Amino acid sequence: DVKVTQSSRYLVKRTGEKVFLECVQDMDHENMFWYRQDPGLGLRLIYFSYDVKMKEKGDIPEGYSVSREKKERFSLILESASTNQTSMYLCASLDYRGRNTEAFFGQGTRLTVV
Amino acid sequence: GQSLEQPSEVTAVEGAIVQINCTYQTSGFYGLSWYQQHDGGAPTFLSYNALDGLEETGRFSSFLSRSDSYGYLLLQELQMKDSASYFCAVRGYPGDSNYQLIWGAGTKLIIKP
Repeated sequence: DVKVTQSSRYLVKRTGEKVFLECVQDMDHENMFWYRQDPGLGLRLIYFSYDVKMKEKGDIPEGYSVSREKKERFSLILESASTNQTSMYLCASLDYRGRNTEAFFGQGTRLTVV
Repeated sequence: GQSLEQPSEVTAVEGAIVQINCTYQTSGFYGLSWYQQHDGGAPTFLSYNALDGLEETGRFSSFLSRSDSYGYLLLQELQMKDSASYFCAVRGYPGDSNYQLIWGAGTKLIIKP
């Protein structure tokens, strides 16, 4: 019954490394999102994508990039990891068709940059 | 700017009723959603209100007043497993700058025996 899967639950990376976080959804949703979550700050949108190869910056895109080559896969890339990117990263997908609006989240990736 | 305001923390007693409020200020509004997140887990969908009034789903109910830009989540017969963070989120209309979901900072619900 898994709907949104993130490639790693925990990651530890070194400062300056290039980091890839992968997210796959099996619901044929057009919209996918990457958030980071830090204590007291809620969910902050990094990037979202509304179609294959389409992407839009969210509220905090600096230091990140994304890739959506296939509808089911949305990747978040940290070009050069820094310690202030230590956080919980959540991927979500969403279908805006119809009246309801339910976002489905992956289990999250807790990234530590040392 | 766009913002959603909700209390950072609410404390209640097991078996009681608790209300978590959410006020929003957004450029467009299509509906208000509520999500639950347990520590270490991912947010999960609870409810969605597009029209004014009360929506009930078991022990949980959600209310919306579009004229007041206000909604709340009502949890009845509280159980210890309801201890979690609760987020409200607003969806805008297609083409609005907030077409994607805009999230509140979350309310941590603490339940005491």
